[in-house]
Amino acid sequence: KQEVTQIPAALSVPEGENLVLNCSFTDSAIYNLQWFRQDPGKGLTSLLLIQSSQREQTSGRLNASLDKSSGRSTLYIAASQPGDSATYLCAVRGRSGTYKYIFGTGTRLKVLA
Amino acid sequence: GAGVSQSPRYKVAKRGQDVALRCDPISGHVSLFWYQQALGQGPEFLTYFQNEAQLDKSGLPSDRFFAERPEGSVSTLKIQRTQQEDSAVYLCASSAFRTGGNEKLFFGSGTQLSVL
Repeated sequence: KQEVTQIPAALSVPEGENLVLNCSFTDSAIYNLQWFRQDPGKGLTSLLLIQSSQREQTSGRLNASLDKSSGRSTLYIAASQPGDSATYLCAVRGRSGTYKYIFGTGTRLKVLA
Repeated sequence: GAGVSQSPRYKVAKRGQDVALRCDPISGHVSLFWYQQALGQGPEFLTYFQNEAQLDKSGLPSDRFFAERPEGSVSTLKIQRTQQEDSAVYLCASSAFRTGGNEKLFFGSGTQLSVL
């Protein structure tokens, strides 16, 4: 059974810092992995999607990497801003035959001005 | 529409009452998911539709939970005889592609269900 873990559970950093959020999964046979952002009381917004054949994806100040063999993904946020404060979740989808995404419990990020 | 729309935004139900939660996905999106999110937790999968076909309902916690998408667009999640443990945020998500390619998920803002 696929399990997804995110470390740390919470993180507080001063504005301008570069930071790394970690996601690990127990079954490396994944189809793809997505990173999401969730603001309080809101739904999730997809930030980056990495197919199993890819190593990384970039969007603006965000970079996500994927190492399937070790069951890990990292989300790198450059030059953090107070507006980046939110909960970040990763989710994996297993190989073909399954459609559901398994989510981690998230990392609550607070960027201090 | 511009995004995934869910209604109602908040629902308070007395224990034992039946509730119906509605999801309007992005127009033309083939895939539709329902998730349940408890406070401080990640979303837990409930069920998946591909057009009108319910292909995976393995996450529905009991036979009190029922979902449908009869015309392949709007979906309804129904919970019968609600219990306190059903209190959670129910999230709906849709995506454009069936399998392969870009499966970016678009989520609604959710329905917060409180069972008293």
